[in-house]
Amino acid sequence: EAGVAQSPRYKIIEKRQSVAFWCNPISGHATLYWYQQILGQGPKLLIQFQNNGVVDDSQLPKDRFSAERLKGVDSTLKIQPAKLEDSAVYLCASSLDSVARGAGELFFGEGSRLTVL
Amino acid sequence: KQEVTQIPAALSVPEGENLVLNCSFTDSAIYNLQWFRQDPGKGLTSLLLIQSSQREQTSGRLNASLDKSSGRSTLYIAASQPGDSATYLCAVRPRRGSTLGRLYFGRGTQLTVWP
Repeated sequence: EAGVAQSPRYKIIEKRQSVAFWCNPISGHATLYWYQQILGQGPKLLIQFQNNGVVDDSQLPKDRFSAERLKGVDSTLKIQPAKLEDSAVYLCASSLDSVARGAGELFFGEGSRLTVL
Repeated sequence: KQEVTQIPAALSVPEGENLVLNCSFTDSAIYNLQWFRQDPGKGLTSLLLIQSSQREQTSGRLNASLDKSSGRSTLYIAASQPGDSATYLCAVRPRRGSTLGRLYFGRGTQLTVWP
């Protein structure tokens, strides 16, 4: 079974530029998550989708971050304009179960490492 | 708000030792707790998932226990090997509130097993 795919693996940009990350979850997984992991910290949820609807985006800095999940499969996370503090690894994860069932195991991709200069 | 703490932050041991990594959480109303492994520059690999109704889960040399009432979980690694060197993260999923689907992570325990 193929895992969660993410691209690009690495990206270096200057502040105020824009960047986009792509995620393809495990086939059939209804729930998709984007997490931000700053060096030395645990991951923090940015946004959670169930199919193509947003379930939780309360921790997403909406003035600069946006995300979409068209057709309930692939997802993109965009940052525009980027700030120095956005330097982090952006992790995509998916789970089979719906939020309501709450019991699903999360599977993570390799992550996209962003460096903002 | 749920807070997750992992102790110790770092651990360095010789090969062959049995290890215990600790995780504590402040709100016992959880659906499940999941242990992950993270290698440098990599994503997270799921090790064990314990549902709130369970007391422990085992996979190979790994055993994870859950004591929901005291807000604690331990990950036991038997006969450690250099290949076990990685950061180990625990995460809990809350049972109530607007953050039902959100995992709360600890900062992790960085493990080094030397030959």
